[in-house]
Amino acid sequence: ELKVEQNPLFLSMQEGKNYTIYCNYSTTSDRLYWYRQDPGKSLESLFVLLSNGAVKQEGRLMASLDTKARLSTLHITAAVHDLSATYFCAVAYYNNNDMRFGAGTRLTVKP
Amino acid sequence: ETGVTQTPRHLVMGMTNKKSLKCEQHLGHNAMYWYKQSAKKPLELMFVYNFKEQTENNSVPSRFSPECPNSSHLFLHLHTLQPEDSALYLCASSLNYRATNTEAFFGQGTRLTVV
Repeated sequence: ELKVEQNPLFLSMQEGKNYTIYCNYSTTSDRLYWYRQDPGKSLESLFVLLSNGAVKQEGRLMASLDTKARLSTLHITAAVHDLSATYFCAVAYYNNNDMRFGAGTRLTVKP
Repeated sequence: ETGVTQTPRHLVMGMTNKKSLKCEQHLGHNAMYWYKQSAKKPLELMFVYNFKEQTENNSVPSRFSPECPNSSHLFLHLHTLQPEDSALYLCASSLNYRATNTEAFFGQGTRLTVV
């Protein structure tokens, strides 16, 4: 069974600092997704990573995928308060879109 | 706004009630999903419909009954629920369940409280 582990589960950062969220998964997959969820809101798609070595950047967020290590990272650069949210990674089974989600990382960026 | 709309946004129901959650998408997608998000567990996939056919049922109790009359609409019928069923129920859609290069778009969710 595909299992997805995120860490840390809780992250409190100061504005301007850098940090990385990690997502490990247990079985072969070449598709990984990062989502953002604000309190009481839906999940917003951030990145879709479809191949080994894929790297995508949007603003202060950069995501990468290493399929050999079964690891994805979400790197935050110079954090700002607006980035406060819960971030989820999700991994899809090899031949369909059955996504398994990590537990989420609740990020709080403090002034 | 993701193009996936869920109603109602909030629902409080008694354990003997029958209610339904509705999901509608205007993205031209053919796959629709129900997920459960509870406080102490990761998002759990409940049901998947692909081209109106149910393809996945992840050991969901029979008190949850999905219905997909067409590719744009998805319902979740609820009856004799338990307090532990209280959660955020999220609907999602994607182009095709078997497509390997598409992402899922989520609705706003229905916050369900069972009393």
